[in-house]
Amino acid sequence: KNQVEQSPQSLIILEGKNCTLQCNYTVSPFSNLRWYKQDTGRGPVSLTIMTFSENTKSNGRYTATLDADTKQSSLHITASQLSDSASYICVVRNSGGSNYKLTFGKGTLLTVNP
Amino acid sequence: ETGVTQSPTHLIKTRGQQVTLRCSSQSGHNTVSWYQQALGQGPQFIFQYYREEENGRGNFPPRFSGLQFPNYSSELNVNALELDDSALYLCASSLGPGEETQYFGPGTRLLVL
Repeated sequence: KNQVEQSPQSLIILEGKNCTLQCNYTVSPFSNLRWYKQDTGRGPVSLTIMTFSENTKSNGRYTATLDADTKQSSLHITASQLSDSASYICVVRNSGGSNYKLTFGKGTLLTVNP
Repeated sequence: ETGVTQSPTHLIKTRGQQVTLRCSSQSGHNTVSWYQQALGQGPQFIFQYYREEENGRGNFPPRFSGLQFPNYSSELNVNALELDDSALYLCASSLGPGEETQYFGPGTRLLVL
């Protein structure tokens, strides 16, 4: 069964600190992995997308890594800001081309305190 | 902002009632996918519409139905509402059914009492 597990479930950090969120998946065959940021009560917004051949990708203060062998990904946030408070969702896509082959994680709820 | 809009933003219904949620896709997008997101959970795929036809369905009962119009906007209809239908309903549009990137709307928060 295709699954995406995220950890921790929730995280509280102080403004300015760094943090790392984890995503483990069992989706096969793998096509790509995407991290979304979802503000409370809003739709998810894509941060990064990684394919099988990519090990790391950055988007500003967000850096995602992918280890396709161990089927693990991480999202590292540097110098956190209050606006980073949100849920971060890992989504893995099967190869095959149809949108309905996406598997969503439950997300990590990040709270950044002043 | 993604250009995907949803209405209404919030809705309160009672058990057994019917509800219709609406989504306008981003300009140029012909594919709309609907998701249900319960509190503290990730989105669950309901179904996808491509050029006015259903193009895939998740594990949801038939009382969840949809429609896509010639302008590619879409509706999600839920009949015989149950308490567990309370959730954030998201729609996402894309350039095509195989297109990598989906753009999500802000969602409709449905509360069933």
